[in-house]
Amino acid sequence: EVQLVESGGGLVQPGGSLRLSCAASGFPLSSHNMNWVRQAPGKAPEWIAYITDTGTTTHYAASVEGRFTISRDTAKNSLYLQMNSLRAEDTALYYCARDGFYFHIDVWGKGTSVTVSS
Amino acid sequence: DIVMTQTPLSLPVVLGQPASISCRSSQSLVHSDGNTYLSWLHQRPGQPPRLLIYKISNRFSGVPDRFTGSGAGTDFTLKISRVEPEDVGVYYCMQATQLRTFGQGTRVEIK
Repeated sequence: EVQLVESGGGLVQPGGSLRLSCAASGFPLSSHNMNWVRQAPGKAPEWIAYITDTGTTTHYAASVEGRFTISRDTAKNSLYLQMNSLRAEDTALYYCARDGFYFHIDVWGKGTSVTVSS
Repeated sequence: DIVMTQTPLSLPVVLGQPASISCRSSQSLVHSDGNTYLSWLHQRPGQPPRLLIYKISNRFSGVPDRFTGSGAGTDFTLKISRVEPEDVGVYYCMQATQLRTFGQGTRVEIK
């Protein structure tokens, strides 16, 4: 069964750092582009980061560029999101999400919650 | 950045009746490879979004045929032929022609 399970969320102070992990099962990360998408309470999802199936190319939303880094470990079949210089507006549920062949997001994890507050 | 605008934001519907949601992009979603990467997703409370339609009009695996996507260029529509109780929730369009952007969502509720 294809599955994505996020972990690593929690409460962090403004300016702090957090590393999110996403364990993939049922498929190899090397066969799909992968994304991180976040959703603040009551808001629409916001795409924030993307890594290609080859792992050679990454893209970021302007809101996180320079602060967040997406990476992966194919040996562990895991995706990561390193988040630095966190702000209150980064508070959200963070989803790991897989791209299908036509760049649609076809598999979502259940999300991990990040709260940035003093 | 491509902006996705959905209308209406709230849609009261009668069970068994049709429903329609519009999504407009701020620029053409035709990719340089000729494809248009527009998809529709449905989200119920407390759950992640679920893919319904990809590449404008292709139904994802397991999606009932009462869901139909259409459109081209900058204007797209999701239609539900007969609304069922499980169709309530929020619907999002998403473009993946240039990075990814979601629409602001349309909340479907039973009238």
